Amino acid sequence: QVQLKESGPGLVQPSETLSLTCTVSGFSLTSYSVSWVRQPSGKGPEWMGRMWYDGDTAYNSALKSRLSISRDTSKNQVFLKMNSLQTDDTGTYYCTRDLWETFDYWGQGVMVTVSS
Amino acid sequence: DVVLTQSPATLSVTPGERISLSCRASESVDTYLHWYQQKPNESPRLLIKYASQSISGIPSRFSGSGSGTDFTLSINGVELEDLSIYYCQQGNSLPFTFGSGTKLEIK
Repeated sequence: QVQLKESGPGLVQPSETLSLTCTVSGFSLTSYSVSWVRQPSGKGPEWMGRMWYDGDTAYNSALKSRLSISRDTSKNQVFLKMNSLQTDDTGTYYCTRDLWETFDYWGQGVMVTVSS
Repeated sequence: DVVLTQSPATLSVTPGERISLSCRASESVDTYLHWYQQKPNESPRLLIKYASQSISGIPSRFSGSGSGTDFTLSINGVELEDLSIYYCQQGNSLPFTFGSGTKLEIK
């Protein structure tokens, strides 16, 4: 059974760094890619970046200067770090199984609020 | 970046109706166009991939068509459980992008 679950702080101070973890089960990170997708409240989703199954990464150019995605295959975890957070980074952050650019399984999401 | 424009923004429907939702791309995405359903307070769910390919477990009343820049998601006989927001997403070029959604509501 494929599952993904995001974890991390719900509240981040402006200018601080967001760190999220995606823990997966039911598939191998060396066989499938994982993408991070975020969604501001009431708006459409935004693709942030991808951890390829071979360990390579790809980022949305709009976020590339602030974003880093890494993984620990022994723990079945993918990590997101994004610095210099601002209020418009508030939203729900999802990790998804990325099957050749379709997102076929999604985590439940974690709500992140950027506020002092 | 490829911009996806969905219309209408909101569609009022009567259960049992056949409806069509539109997604238009700012440049050709071939058939790398996928549809998702998002119910309130839930994560999106993949409905249709590569413009017209069905997904296991998705009711057969959902179908997709189109290629290039114009795409349609059809629901043949809307049911109450279909009340959701529907998003299209292109996977032809990075960054992958999503439309702003069409919200289905009861008339």
